[in-house]
Amino acid sequence: GAVVSQHPSWVICKSGTSVKIECRSLDFQATTMFWYRQFPKQSLMLMATSNEGSKATYEQGVEKDKFLINHASLTLSTLTVTSAHPEDSSFYICSASEPGGATDTQYFGPGTRLTVL
Amino acid sequence: AQTVTQSQPEMSVQEAETVTLSCTYDTSESNYYLFWYKQPPSRQMILVIRQEAYKQQNATENRFSVNFQKAAKSFSLKISDSQLGDTAMYFCAFMKPFNFGNEKLTFGTGTRLTIIP
Repeated sequence: GAVVSQHPSWVICKSGTSVKIECRSLDFQATTMFWYRQFPKQSLMLMATSNEGSKATYEQGVEKDKFLINHASLTLSTLTVTSAHPEDSSFYICSASEPGGATDTQYFGPGTRLTVL
Repeated sequence: AQTVTQSQPEMSVQEAETVTLSCTYDTSESNYYLFWYKQPPSRQMILVIRQEAYKQQNATENRFSVNFQKAAKSFSLKISDSQLGDTAMYFCAFMKPFNFGNEKLTFGTGTRLTIIP
């Protein structure tokens, strides 16, 4: 089946620093990747939609200058949290759509836990 | 905009019993996709089952089946012969038809299911 990986799985950083999270589709090419944020015991909140070779589409209320998304290839999307602050601490999850076949199914990465001190 | 409602925040059931999780949704679309995702304690989102709205037949995947009532906008998940590994948060999700790669998932708030030994 379609596999999506994320790296790192867990990161701790100091306030004011930037953190990059990678999302990779391992066995398929993903034209579209999605980034979600999940607070403890809550549902997933879509942050942005990332299309290969074009600018990401951000959901309302998500700061595009704070959460930089790059989808440089069909297998890699990155989320960079710039100038991170404690309120950015959260669980970040990416997903990818596999074109053709089960086009409308999203496969999820294992998530990245970000803690900002 | 679409909304997805899961009215059961928590449920518990004895091992080997059958449990049904409820989900209702609201949309003006005639064609769409519905999903159940499972998030175990590892927090990896796992696709459980998928239903296309144009299909009248209810989807089944081994012990998991759905009761899809399009007119009532209801999409419940039945887990038969429940196992300890079924303990997880279950999310119902809605997706509009393929839209040039921008297939957003709208999630419900989730139901925390505990299987009791």
